[in-house]
Amino acid sequence: GQQVMQIPQYQHVQEGEDFTTYCNSSTTLSNIQWYKQRPGGHPVFLIQLVKSGEVKKQKRLTFQFGEAKKNSSLHITATQTTDVGTYFCAGMKTSYDKVIFGPGTSLSVIP
Amino acid sequence: SQTIHQWPATLVQPVGSPLSLECTVEGTSNPNLYWYRQAAGRGLQLLFYSVGIGQISSEVPQNLSASRPQDRQFILSSKKLLLSDSGFYLCAWEAVGISEQYFGPGTRLTVT
Repeated sequence: GQQVMQIPQYQHVQEGEDFTTYCNSSTTLSNIQWYKQRPGGHPVFLIQLVKSGEVKKQKRLTFQFGEAKKNSSLHITATQTTDVGTYFCAGMKTSYDKVIFGPGTSLSVIP
Repeated sequence: SQTIHQWPATLVQPVGSPLSLECTVEGTSNPNLYWYRQAAGRGLQLLFYSVGIGQISSEVPQNLSASRPQDRQFILSSKKLLLSDSGFYLCAWEAVGISEQYFGPGTRLTVT
């Protein structure tokens, strides 16, 4: 079946350093989404990417969808303590399939 | 605007007791609804999803069941809880044809 993987599982960074998490699918995706879950909270939708090679930015966050639509990345520039949490990617093969979540990357930011 | 409610927020139940968690969505019609479970420090495990009233798909064989008695109501149940049922239970909704999911605040269940 379809699998969505993320690396790294954990990342500890000094405040101000950059951070990147990578998401890889075993199959081509119709779209990919990113969610953030703060400690003790629930996942919150961040963004959706649909087009091959698409790049979207939200302030210090840059999201990219691979040309083959099988991988994606989330890059955070100059991390802040408010960036702490687990970042999940989620993809679906077609618009009729259910979303498959990756296992998440847990980010810790050392002040 | 749409909102999603879950209750209770926390629950401590003895092994062998029944369970009923409720999720309701406001401000939308005919949403797709999902139940996930998250163990501490782990990812999201999809338990059930529903595309309409009375339509339930189960992802993982277990002693849990789900029901959707109304369009915007999704219930997770168990007749007899196991220790392994402990976790953070999250309900989510998405509009049909739009794959963004919106999660409720979750229920932290501890089975003792």
